Amino acid sequence: QVQLVESGGDLVKPGGSLRLSCAASGFIFRDYYMSWIRQAPGKGLEWISYISTSGHDINYADSVKGRFTISRDNAKNSLYLEMNSLKVEDTAVYYCVRDWAPLNEMWFDPWGQGTLVTVSS
Amino acid sequence: SSELTQDPAVSVALGQTVKITCQGDSLRSYYTSWYQQKPGQAPVVVIYGKNNRPSGIPDRFSGSRSGNTASLTITGAQAEDEADYYCNSRDSSGKRRLFGGGTKLTVL
Repeated sequence: QVQLVESGGDLVKPGGSLRLSCAASGFIFRDYYMSWIRQAPGKGLEWISYISTSGHDINYADSVKGRFTISRDNAKNSLYLEMNSLKVEDTAVYYCVRDWAPLNEMWFDPWGQGTLVTVSS
Repeated sequence: SSELTQDPAVSVALGQTVKITCQGDSLRSYYTSWYQQKPGQAPVVVIYGKNNRPSGIPDRFSGSRSGNTASLTITGAQAEDEADYYCNSRDSSGKRRLFGGGTKLTVL
């Protein structure tokens, strides 16, 4: 079945770095846009970045632009999120999602189970 | 525009109909998707596009749009529908993705 499994979440100090990974299975990974979405404890959902099938079209939310880098390896069916200059407010569960955006529609399905990133001194 | 607005909380009596709304300028151009999130779980899409339900989503869930407002309607709410609901769409540029702040649905 279609599955996304995130890994790499950890406790890191402010100013530190972390790399998240997402392993995809059950679908042709290279054919789909992918996104990262996060959810701070007790808060709502925040989209933070998407990447196109080839990796040439990338976009970020203002809150992470310049600090986070999304990438993918289609040969390994994997999505990544490199996070630098981490701030306390980056503390959240990070979800890997398949990003559907045909014409004037968009939705995320499926979602991974999430990986927790905690930024604290 | 880069904002989608939802009411923070809504309640409905068991078996009754409830409408959860989402407002935003970009909704005049783009359809909204809706997600259900229960405590400790990842969100699940319940409505996408004009009014499409993924397999496994009960037909009591439906979506609609009028002007800058999208709505998720649950006809005959069940106890298991108690959850947080988020709307999602694109911003006016069509590039970035947006989420509403979420609506906590209580089934009385």
